[in-house]
Amino acid sequence: RKEVEQDPGPFNVPEGATVAFNCTYSNSASQSFFWYRQDCRKEPKLLMSVYSSGNEDGRFTAQLNRASQYISLLIRDSKLSDSATYLCVVNMRGNKLTFGTGTQLKVEL
Amino acid sequence: NAGVTQTPKFQVLKTGQSMTLQCAQDMNHEYMSWYRQDPGMGLRLIHYSVGAGITDQGEVPNGYNVSRSTTEDFPLRLLSAAPSQTSVYFCASSRQRPGAGELFFGEGSRLTVL
Repeated sequence: RKEVEQDPGPFNVPEGATVAFNCTYSNSASQSFFWYRQDCRKEPKLLMSVYSSGNEDGRFTAQLNRASQYISLLIRDSKLSDSATYLCVVNMRGNKLTFGTGTQLKVEL
Repeated sequence: NAGVTQTPKFQVLKTGQSMTLQCAQDMNHEYMSWYRQDPGMGLRLIHYSVGAGITDQGEVPNGYNVSRSTTEDFPLRLLSAAPSQTSVYFCASSRQRPGAGELFFGEGSRLTVL
């Protein structure tokens, strides 16, 4: 079992749709959680951190479920510009982050 | 702001050749790291540094060396390139230890080993 697992997609959704991604992690002692966005052939960039109480940033909502060991990302009112790969990142131990393989989102007209 | 700068952006090597990927950051970050990204796999940590003069191995360190003589620079050396090292390499830096703050990535270096 991978330490961090994501559905690779692609998720093809129409503009304006709501889409959700999940990410499961194996280490129950994991300390911090993030979603990064990576555009095609570009570097990853931080989208948002994931807090225990859940957090929202505009159209994006991230949630953490420690009991079931997963985090989620909800995107409302999808835009064409949201098309990208979304990377789940977990700090499992020390100074090392573990990256998921990413979920590809394609928003279409 | 330049942020994290990597050079070269593209490189083709023959098996057995050596080379250095350069990484520099101008944000005065203590933490720097090198990752490789391969299709179907998440970014994997090669080496990292928590400050000048301090380096440590990550998940996939074999075949790579690093040094950190200054806060700004963190070069990655391939000692004897192998086709298995064909990958996209990202350098990253952070103000806080990874997991406590944002990672800032360079634009990547695409390496092909023939």
